[in-house]
This record gives sequence, C-alpha cells and structure tokens, in this order.
Amino acid sequence: ETGVTQSPTHLIKTRGQQVTLRCSSQSGHNTVSWYQQALGQGPQFIFQYYREEENGRGNFPPRFSGLQFPNYSSELNVNALELDDSALYLCASSPREGTGARGYTFGSGTRLTVV
Amino acid sequence: LAKTTQPISMDSYEGQEVNITCSHNNIATNDYITWYQQFPSQGPRFIIQGYKTKVTNEVASLFIPADRKSSTLSLPRVSLSDTAVYYCLVGDGYTPLVFGKGTRLSVIA
Repeated sequence: ETGVTQSPTHLIKTRGQQVTLRCSSQSGHNTVSWYQQALGQGPQFIFQYYREEENGRGNFPPRFSGLQFPNYSSELNVNALELDDSALYLCASSPREGTGARGYTFGSGTRLTVV
Repeated sequence: LAKTTQPISMDSYEGQEVNITCSHNNIATNDYITWYQQFPSQGPRFIIQGYKTKVTNEVASLFIPADRKSSTLSLPRVSLSDTAVYYCLVGDGYTPLVFGKGTRLSVIA
C-alpha cells in the first residue's frame, strides 16, 4: 500500500505571499488532517477534511484554508504569509473508523520558511 | 478532547529498558491510547495502541491500569536509533488528534 506523500518537501516564501501545499492520502483512507509543527513543539491541529468537507478546525485564522478532492487528496492554502508561519506542515490520512488513532498515517511534511 | 501529560525529556543508556508514563485523567469511554514516535524532520510514526490492560508488539509494550487514567510505554533494550520524541495520544479515531509536547528520549552510548 502507498503511504502519504506531501509536496513540495521544502519551500521558501516571502512575507505576504500565498502558498499551496499538497498531500496524497494513503490508499483506502478517506479523511485528511493537516498539522503545523513549530521547532521543538508538538504538531498543532489545523483542520480535517472528510468527504470533501471541512470536518473540524483548530485555532487557526481563516487565511489557512484547504480542499479535499474526490480522490481524497488534499491541499492546504495559506494567504498573507507571516514570519510565524514558518514550520513543518504535516498531512495525515486516516480511514475514519472508531478504532483509535492507530489508523493515522503521516507524511514526511513540507518545511515552509517565510522570510 | 482528552489532554495528556508526559515528561518533557528522558535520558537512557543503550541496552536499558525505558518506561515513559503518560497521564490522561479525562479519557473518555470510547478513547484508545496511542503512542507515536517522531524523528527530526519526519512525520510521527505509529508505535502501539491499547484500550486496557497490556499490549505488546515487536517494538514496545503498553501498560494500562484498570482506571485508564494513565499509561506506560515500555521500550526494551533501547539503542541509539530509538532517540526520538514520543507522543501519547488519546482518541476514538473520529475526533482529530491532539498532540502535547511529547517526551524527548535521548539514548546515550
């Protein structure tokens, strides 16, 4: 089975620009979640998509938005980038079964640097 | 969402057994307890999951007391490659995962 693939792996953007990060979910998984991980911190939940609808959101402003496509892949868009948006962005797919967190598969992340 | 508390860091020598305890006082009936491992610049990787009592797999054991308000991850005979951050999470698989800061394990030769 294929894992979760994220692109690009690294990205440098200027403050005020917009960025789109992409994620291909693992085969058989219908839910995608996005996380932001600052250096030395645990991953912070941004939002989750299920059946192409946002299905939960963390404490992030509206300039963080997303999409899920019919094939369950997903995009994370961030507008008006700020220096504090510099982080590792992680995507996780899961099968949406009530069997705990064991079904989550994480990608290797996109390292975003805002200068 | 149930929150977890675990030590910020631990040190161990190679070959020793390491036990990391996690507190989750507000765990819900439908919640499982799951541990993930994360290496620098990589996504978290599943280690082990349990609901109650003891679970063992090829890499770790998970001990859960009857009240389920805590759990202990046990790593037998650690090696340098076990140096990583370990996260304890509780959830039912439907609600989003809530990560704490994790436990940074350093294995020393």
